[in-house]
Amino acid sequence: DAGVIQSPRHEVTEMGQEVTLRCKPISGHDYLFWYRQTMMRGLELLIYFNNNVPIDDSGMPEDRFSAKMPNASFSTLKIQPSEPRDSAVYFCASRLQGGTSGANVLTFGAGSRLTVL
Amino acid sequence: AQSVAQPEDQVNVAEGNPLTVKCTYSVSGNPYLFWYVQYPNRGLQFLLKYITGDNLVKGSYGFEAEFNKSQTSFHLKKPSALVSDSALYFCAVRPFSSGSARQLTFGSGTQLTVLP
Repeated sequence: DAGVIQSPRHEVTEMGQEVTLRCKPISGHDYLFWYRQTMMRGLELLIYFNNNVPIDDSGMPEDRFSAKMPNASFSTLKIQPSEPRDSAVYFCASRLQGGTSGANVLTFGAGSRLTVL
Repeated sequence: AQSVAQPEDQVNVAEGNPLTVKCTYSVSGNPYLFWYVQYPNRGLQFLLKYITGDNLVKGSYGFEAEFNKSQTSFHLKKPSALVSDSALYFCAVRPFSSGSARQLTFGSGTQLTVLP
């Protein structure tokens, strides 16, 4: 398995532009998470999905952020319009549901580093 | 609400010496506890976890962690550090019966530097 795949790895954009980050989870995993990592706030959970359905989006900073999971193999995180304070590394992670052996372990993608000028 | 504290932002240790990265937690009920490691420009990688059973948990790359319920701690240890162990380490907790809880809560991370 190629693991969790994120694109783009790096994105530089100007304030006000729309940004779309993409994630392909591990096949068969039924949970998908979006995290944001910054020096100031560390690792923050933005939203997570179970079986393609958003379960908890209380970590999404504001209405400029939206996330979708149209099918089991693809998710997007969109920022519109982007602002300099959105600059961060955005991680996607996936895992299987339940159980106690081998489950509950998150597999992270390599991240998308976003710079908003 | 659950929380994780990693009291040290930075830990330096000489190669070959034992290392400890500290973690304490707060959670309602019994915890699931995890350690993840992040190398530069990479995502977090799973190291080890405590679910139930033996308090000493062994994981990848020779790391181990000891669950101490009375002290609510889950310190990461390795008997002999390698330069290649230099990375950012995260402790994480979730309640045993999370229900609709927001899954894992991560600590702020500890940067481990192993000096040659």
